[in-house]
Amino acid sequence: GIQVEQSPPDLILQEGANSTLRCNFSDSVNNLQWFHQNPWGQLINLFYIPSGTKQNGRLSATTVATERYSLLYISSSQTTDSGVYFCAATTEGGGNKLTFGTGTQLKVEL
Amino acid sequence: GAGVSQTPSNKVTEKGKYVELRCDPISGHTALYWYRQSLGQGPEFLIYFQGTGAADDSGLPNDRFFAVRPEGSVSTLKIQRTERGDSAVYLCASSLNPYRAASTDTQYFGPGTRLTVL
Repeated sequence: GIQVEQSPPDLILQEGANSTLRCNFSDSVNNLQWFHQNPWGQLINLFYIPSGTKQNGRLSATTVATERYSLLYISSSQTTDSGVYFCAATTEGGGNKLTFGTGTQLKVEL
Repeated sequence: GAGVSQTPSNKVTEKGKYVELRCDPISGHTALYWYRQSLGQGPEFLIYFQGTGAADDSGLPNDRFFAVRPEGSVSTLKIQRTERGDSAVYLCASSLNPYRAASTDTQYFGPGTRLTVL
């Protein structure tokens, strides 16, 4: 099955800083989603982005499908951005199940 | 409308007991998924329903795990003879229709049920 790798595994930022999280995947994808898992465990949808670029407020994401990676950009980080960020993908031959990466643990400090 | 809901939010049971976990998907979503998340890891796929039928159950770890969705809406995940290794957060997700158009494949997750087997 598809392999999904995320980097960095951990990240500590000062409030107001910018960051880039990376997701590499080993196969062509039908669906690629970015999630934020808050400290209470809820997975919050950030982007559905199998290709192209999207922006939502301080967050934006870019997926380069031909090179099998996706990037999540967080600008002007806030303490509420803390948590774990996951990317997850489905593939043509893998059905509709999402395969998750191992996540990036982000902590934003004052 | 309302998001995906799961009950109970927490379940503590003893080794060997039977448990049922319930998922209410977003109204109108035809696809429903169960995942399991262990501490420090990403969620792992268990089973996927399209309508009432299990379209893919390849992630169920063994025959102690079973899930149903009899009317194509609510789903129940059933675990027999629970073991300590079953302790995890069980997550449910739904999507509108994964075959209609790409964007309807977006999966929305519930808050999860934290299962602890003593």
